[in-house]
Amino acid sequence: GAGVSQSPSNKVTEKGKDVELRCDPISGHTALYWYRQSLGQGLEFLIYFQGNSAPDKSGLPSDRFSAERTGGSVSTLTIQRTQQEDSAVYLCASSLARAGANVLTFGAGSRLTVL
Amino acid sequence: AQKITQTQPGMFVQEKEAVTLDCTYDTSDPSYGLFWYKQPSSGEMIFLIYQGSYDQQNATEGRYSLNFQKARKSANLVISASQLGDSAMYFCAMRGKAAGNKLTFGGGTRVLVKP
Repeated sequence: GAGVSQSPSNKVTEKGKDVELRCDPISGHTALYWYRQSLGQGLEFLIYFQGNSAPDKSGLPSDRFSAERTGGSVSTLTIQRTQQEDSAVYLCASSLARAGANVLTFGAGSRLTVL
Repeated sequence: AQKITQTQPGMFVQEKEAVTLDCTYDTSDPSYGLFWYKQPSSGEMIFLIYQGSYDQQNATEGRYSLNFQKARKSANLVISASQLGDSAMYFCAMRGKAAGNKLTFGGGTRVLVKP
C-alpha cells in the first residue's frame, strides 16, 4: 500500500487478556519499528526489525511483550496478560533501510485501552 | 548511548511570526542523523526535515529550517511565518550506529499558534 497500515485502530480490552496489534509496512521497506506513546508523552522505542537480521528487542518493557515479522513484511506486536499501564498508542514505522537519511514513515497507530 | 533533550514543554507563537524549537543531543557516534517530526492532534507523525552530521549546509524544507550547531550538539528547528495549522507537538529525534540505528525521540514541544 501507499502508507503504513495498522490495525486495529482502537482496542479496548480487560486486564489480563492478550492482545495482538498488526502492522503492514510500505512495500519494499526493509526496516520496521514499533514505538509506544503514552498520553501526552514522547515516543518510547520497543523493537526494531531490519531485513533478516535478529531484531533489536532492547526496548521491550517486559517479557509480556513480543513481536514477530513474517516474511520480512507484516509484523505483529503481542502483549500478554495486559495491565492498565499498557494503555497507550502503539505506533509502527517503516523505512527503506536502517541508516542515513532514510526517513521513518509512521502508521496512524493502534490505541490500546486496558480496563 | 544517545539522548535527545527538548527543554521547552510548550510555547505560544503569534501567527505569521517565526518560532525556534530547541533540541540538544548527546551521542558518541561520529556519524548520525537528526530528524524533526510534527504530530498534530490527529496523532499522525509527519516528517519535516533531516540533517546529517556531516552535512555542510543547514537543512531547509519550505518554511522549516534546521539550525545545526555541531560543536554545541544542538539542532534547533525554525518555523518561519507560523500558520494556525502549525499548532502541534514537535519531536526531535536522532539515529546513530552506536544505538543500533534506532530512532530515539525527545520529549517533544507543544506549539500553539495564536491568531
